[in-house]
Amino acid sequence: DTEVTQTPKHLVMGMTNKKSLKCEQHMGHRAMYWYKQKAKKPPELMFVYSYEKLSINESVPSRFSPECPNSSLLNLHLHALQPEDSALYLCASSQEGHLSYEQYFGPGTRLTVT
Amino acid sequence: AQKVTQAQTEISVVEKEDVTLDCVYETRDTTYYLFWYKQPPSGELVFLIRRNSFDEQNEISGRYSWNFQKSTSSFNFTITASQVVDSAVYFCALSEAPGANSKLTFGKGITLSVRP
Repeated sequence: DTEVTQTPKHLVMGMTNKKSLKCEQHMGHRAMYWYKQKAKKPPELMFVYSYEKLSINESVPSRFSPECPNSSLLNLHLHALQPEDSALYLCASSQEGHLSYEQYFGPGTRLTVT
Repeated sequence: AQKVTQAQTEISVVEKEDVTLDCVYETRDTTYYLFWYKQPPSGELVFLIRRNSFDEQNEISGRYSWNFQKSTSSFNFTITASQVVDSAVYFCALSEAPGANSKLTFGKGITLSVRP
């Protein structure tokens, strides 16, 4: 059983839509992450939240807007996306917000932008 | 700058064969951390192991074993008696010591196919 959950599993949206991806972890971790993964590529880090504060933003376009309502929840708000943003979006959590800690991943949201 | 090289892109074996996945890394730091993650077709990355640079002891966990050699900057992963359920993409990753510019670098991944 995964302890990091993500909803929805699949999402199809138009370029003018606004949607949100949700992530929840049940491990008492203090850090949460968003990754983007294109087919046959490794995950690319987008954002890191540590103790509910944004600690890393890897120069992600503003059409992606993260939010961390509490230490267990992480959202990614999407607006005016482009077709090249179609990818698997993975959420992860770790004990602390240092990238030297192992991360536990959710099953991902497969996003298609039309 | 740190770098992770997984030179093998795809490996295909028959069930019960042993298989070794190679990982070579580059870093200027003396303190760093190495990881292996498994990504089955379902898409979720599964953490397998974390090693710090001061611990060169090899690790065995069931059919899985890891060989960390600082002299060759390698952190190789061996699956003994492979099974169909081992079919997945395997990523090696490197993180330098915590700090303002800490990065997590993934290798490109190795696709392992285990045939019955």
